[in-house]
Amino acid sequence: SAVISQKPSRDICQRGTSLTIQCQVDSQVTMMFWYRQQPGQSLTLIATANQGSEATYESGFVIDKFPISRPNLTFSTLTVSNMSPEDSSIYLCSVVGGNYGYTFGSGTRLTVV
Amino acid sequence: GNSVTQMEGPVTLSEEAFLTINCTYTATGYPSLFWYVQYPGEGLQLLLKATKADDKGSNKGFEATYRKETTSFHLEKGSVQVSDSAVYFCALSDRDGQNFVFGPGTRLSVLP
Repeated sequence: SAVISQKPSRDICQRGTSLTIQCQVDSQVTMMFWYRQQPGQSLTLIATANQGSEATYESGFVIDKFPISRPNLTFSTLTVSNMSPEDSSIYLCSVVGGNYGYTFGSGTRLTVV
Repeated sequence: GNSVTQMEGPVTLSEEAFLTINCTYTATGYPSLFWYVQYPGEGLQLLLKATKADDKGSNKGFEATYRKETTSFHLEKGSVQVSDSAVYFCALSDRDGQNFVFGPGTRLSVLP
C-alpha cells in the first residue's frame, strides 16, 4: 500500500491565523482525501482533491475556510484559514489503496489558542 | 446511504481478557469492510479487511468475519494486551473503494 508523509505532526496556532498541512504520497494516486477528527469524535470527510481540478467539498465545509491544492499526483495541501478554537482537531489525509482500503497519513494535531 | 454502527465505548478490560467490539452496517450492494486502529497520538492504521461475505480478516491476533446475513463485522481478540489500548474504527466502502464511511469509534483500555 501507499506510504503517506504528512506534516506538521502537530502545531499550536493563534486564532485568526492560517496553517497549511502538507501530504506527500510515495506513489501516484488519482484522488486524495482530507478528513477532520474532532476531539473524541470519528472522522469527517472535508473534501476530495483531484489533480487538475477543483476540490470537491462535503456539506458544511467551504473552500474559503479550507482551501486545498493538488499540484500533482503525489502531493496535496490543506489550509485551515482564519482559525478559531473550534478548529482544534486532528486533520488527516488519505488515499485509496486498492484492495487495502484507505491509507492514512499520521495526522496533524492542531490546537488553536 | 451507507452507515456503520459500533458499540459504544469506552471498553475497559484486564490483560488477557477476550475482546469483542460489535459493528453492524447498512449498505447497498456488496461493500468492503474494514477495521482501523488509532493508537494514542497517532493516525489511523488499517488493522484488517474483508471484501466479500464469509471472508475472515485477521491481523495481530484480531479477527473479524464478514456476515452478510446479519450485516455485521464484529472485531474479536482472544487475549488482549496493554499495547492494544487504542480507538478502533469500523468502516466500509463501496466495492470500487468509493463512498468510504467510518463508524464512531470505540475506545479500548486494557489494564495490566
